[in-house]
Amino acid sequence: GQQVMQIPQYQHVQEGEDFTTYCNSSTTLSNIQWYKQRPGGHPVFLIQLVKSGEVKKQKRLTFQFGEAKKNSSLHITATQTTDVGTYFCAVTGGGADGLTFGKGTHLIIQP
Amino acid sequence: EPEVTQTPSHQVTQMGQEVILRCVPISNHLYFYWYRQILGQKVEFLVSFYNNEISEKSEIFDDQFSVERPDGSNFTLKIRSTKLEDSAMYFCASKLALDADTQYFGPGTRLTVL
Repeated sequence: GQQVMQIPQYQHVQEGEDFTTYCNSSTTLSNIQWYKQRPGGHPVFLIQLVKSGEVKKQKRLTFQFGEAKKNSSLHITATQTTDVGTYFCAVTGGGADGLTFGKGTHLIIQP
Repeated sequence: EPEVTQTPSHQVTQMGQEVILRCVPISNHLYFYWYRQILGQKVEFLVSFYNNEISEKSEIFDDQFSVERPDGSNFTLKIRSTKLEDSAMYFCASKLALDADTQYFGPGTRLTVL
């Protein structure tokens, strides 16, 4: 099945700094999804990217899908304490298929 | 806003015992999933379920696991003979339709096997 590598595993930032997490695959992906999991919480869907080179924004979050559809990134501008959590990318074969998650990037914000 | 619910929130059991984890998916959703997350690790897919049968299962979902939709609302995961390594958070998720993007996750059941 499809696998995704996600880096970094941990990211410490000062509040107000930017944050980026990256997902990479050795194969072309049909789509990629991003989830956020707060400490002690459950994964919450953020977005799905489907098209080559796609860029989507949600307030301070910018999501990109690479031209070759083998990599994706999530960038947060000017982090806030509410951004703390683990950000996962996930891929699926579509239909009823389950999600294959990356290992996640733990975002730790220092005030 | 409709939510996926799961009970219990925490289950402690002895090794070798059977456990049943319960989920109530969002009412009009058609696709149901179980995932697990060992503490500090990534979320791992276990099984997907549609139209009263398993659609896909992972290598983790061996003969010790089973799923059932006993009525119109509940979706259960049974582990027949628990092992220490089954200790994890188990998440149920549901999706509206085949072409829907979003899987909605429940709050999870923390299973501790002693």
